[in-house]
Amino acid sequence: RKEVEQDPGPFNVPEGATVAFNCTYSNSASQSFFWYRQDCRKEPKLLMSVYSSGNEDGRFTAQLNRASQYISLLIRDSKLSDSATYLCVFTSPGGYQKVTFGIGTKLQVIP
Amino acid sequence: GAVVSQHPSWVICKSGTSVKIECRSLDFQATTMFWYRQFPKQSLMLMATSNEGSKATYEQGVEKDKFLINHASLTLSTLTVTSAHPEDSSFYICSAREPTWADPLGFGPGTRLTVL
Repeated sequence: RKEVEQDPGPFNVPEGATVAFNCTYSNSASQSFFWYRQDCRKEPKLLMSVYSSGNEDGRFTAQLNRASQYISLLIRDSKLSDSATYLCVFTSPGGYQKVTFGIGTKLQVIP
Repeated sequence: GAVVSQHPSWVICKSGTSVKIECRSLDFQATTMFWYRQFPKQSLMLMATSNEGSKATYEQGVEKDKFLINHASLTLSTLTVTSAHPEDSSFYICSAREPTWADPLGFGPGTRLTVL
């Protein structure tokens, strides 16, 4: 099984729609979880951390399901500016602070 | 997340020359930094993990003699692309994180390398 699995998409959604992405991980020892956003030809930027209790930041909601080993990102009321690639990132114990990230899910919000 | 700078942001060079890219952690010490490469319309690919004071760990398929990594201090890692060829043209990004598990990863702004 891959360390992390993420649907590359693309997800094409109309403006105002609600869209959700999942990211599954295989290492049950994974400790910290994050969602990053990457715009075309730019570096990834932190969107939000993911906490066990779930957390919300405006139109964005992140959740962690440790039992099923996945994290999710929900975007409500999609805007054109949400078009980007969304990467899930995990950290786990191990030599040199192992960091694992998914291949990214491409989102295209259509007018 | 952690603040990381990268220099240069853009470089064009002739085939056969070597190019050095610097990655710096700002306001924190990074014992570990990561180097990635991203080709157009593809995902980030981890090339190597740079470890301060010891040898870098390279991912499978990445030539360590071609991509030289030096992590001589707790705030600086360098990637040197030796004898660059057009197929090395890519977007190179570094990242680092402050050393607690809860801290998110910060990415440098990237270096766009074009080899003629």
